[in-house]
Amino acid sequence: AIQMTQSPSSLSASVGDRVTIACRASQGIRNDLGWYQQKPGKAPKLLIYAASDLQSGIPSRFSGSGSGTDFTLTISSLQPEDFATYYCLQDYIYPWTFGQGTKVEIK
Amino acid sequence: QVQLVESGGGLVKPGGSLRLSCAASGFTFSNYYMSWIRQAPGKGLEWVAYINSRATTIYYADSVKGRFTVSRDNARNSLYLQMHSLRAEDTAVYYCATTPTPDYWGQGTLVTVSS
Repeated sequence: AIQMTQSPSSLSASVGDRVTIACRASQGIRNDLGWYQQKPGKAPKLLIYAASDLQSGIPSRFSGSGSGTDFTLTISSLQPEDFATYYCLQDYIYPWTFGQGTKVEIK
Repeated sequence: QVQLVESGGGLVKPGGSLRLSCAASGFTFSNYYMSWIRQAPGKGLEWVAYINSRATTIYYADSVKGRFTVSRDNARNSLYLQMHSLRAEDTAVYYCATTPTPDYWGQGTLVTVSS
């Protein structure tokens, strides 16, 4: 199975900061990668699909980039509602695999 | 509006069985593939199983292969996960979802495997 490695596993940031989360695949997955946000007690929500396409209704401060094995989620200006855990998911080949998650906390 | 509602979770002893259901409404269920995704308490997300719209293609995570069976009834707008030989490590909230296209999720149902 393809392994997805996210970094960092957690970070502390302030409102207004630019935040970058990385996800690396153990083999090439083209651009078949999504980014999800999850808040405590809630189901995950898709932010980015196909590595860089913004899901409908998601604020434009979220962006994704990358292809092949290395991907990045960027939040251009962190807002209070963005404090959450973020996961990448490769849907290139079954079994689909998630990264281990990045918890974004308030500094 | 779109709804996915899971049910059937609960407490079960190791080695036991449980059947989860997911009732879909507000969209044409029969047009979409479905997945089960789980999350152990305090842990990350784990994809469990996939079934295409006509149930002709099915995939499982290695961790559940041979123990779990995914199925669907398009006439009843329902998805199922039959779980056998349950282990403590199967304890998790189980979500049904159409993600990523479209991104619909249920609220999850908790399965606890414990003696």
